Amino acid sequence: GAVVSQHPSRVICKSGTSVKIECRSLDFQATTMFWYRQFPKKSLMLMATSNEGSKATYEQGVEKDKFLINHASLTLSTLTVTSAHPEDSSFYICSAIPTFLSSGNTIYFGEGSWLTVV
Amino acid sequence: EDQVTQSPEALRLQEGESSSLNCSYTVSGLRGLFWYRQDPGKGPEFLFTLYSAGEEKEKERLKATLTKKESFLHITAPKPEDSATYLCAVQATGGTSYGKLTFGQGTILTVHP
Repeated sequence: GAVVSQHPSRVICKSGTSVKIECRSLDFQATTMFWYRQFPKKSLMLMATSNEGSKATYEQGVEKDKFLINHASLTLSTLTVTSAHPEDSSFYICSAIPTFLSSGNTIYFGEGSWLTVV
Repeated sequence: EDQVTQSPEALRLQEGESSSLNCSYTVSGLRGLFWYRQDPGKGPEFLFTLYSAGEEKEKERLKATLTKKESFLHITAPKPEDSATYLCAVQATGGTSYGKLTFGQGTILTVHP
């Protein structure tokens, strides 16, 4: 089946530095990918919609200058957390919709990336 | 605003004890209702997509059903390996909403041997 891969699975960074998380669709092309954030024992909250070749669309309350999203190809979207602070520590998960499914509706998720800011 | 409420928050079952998880939703127009399984520290694993009231889908010990206001995930004769958090999410109609999911808070299922 379709696979969405995230890298790194875990990352620890120092406060004030930036960290990049990659989301790849391994066996399908994805015009659109989504980035979610999940706090412990909480549900997934959508952060932004990543569109190949255009600017990302951010949900209300999400700082676009802090969470930079780039979707440079049909198989790769990246989330960069800039000037990270401890409150940015969280589980970040991406999802992708296969481009070839015009009306189909199977949305695949990556394995997630744990970010710890110290 | 789309809303999804799951109940119960946590459910403990004995192995073989069948039960159901509930997902109530409000959405302007439903494109699809999704069920996912999430293990600790992992991303959600796709289970089902339901599109219209009356639809049912099955996979092994799981069966998902849909009405106009809620969905149920029935678990028949569960095993300890079914222990996980089960997430329900809705996808609304509308061009800007395609692919965006609104999640419930999940039901933590624990199956004891």
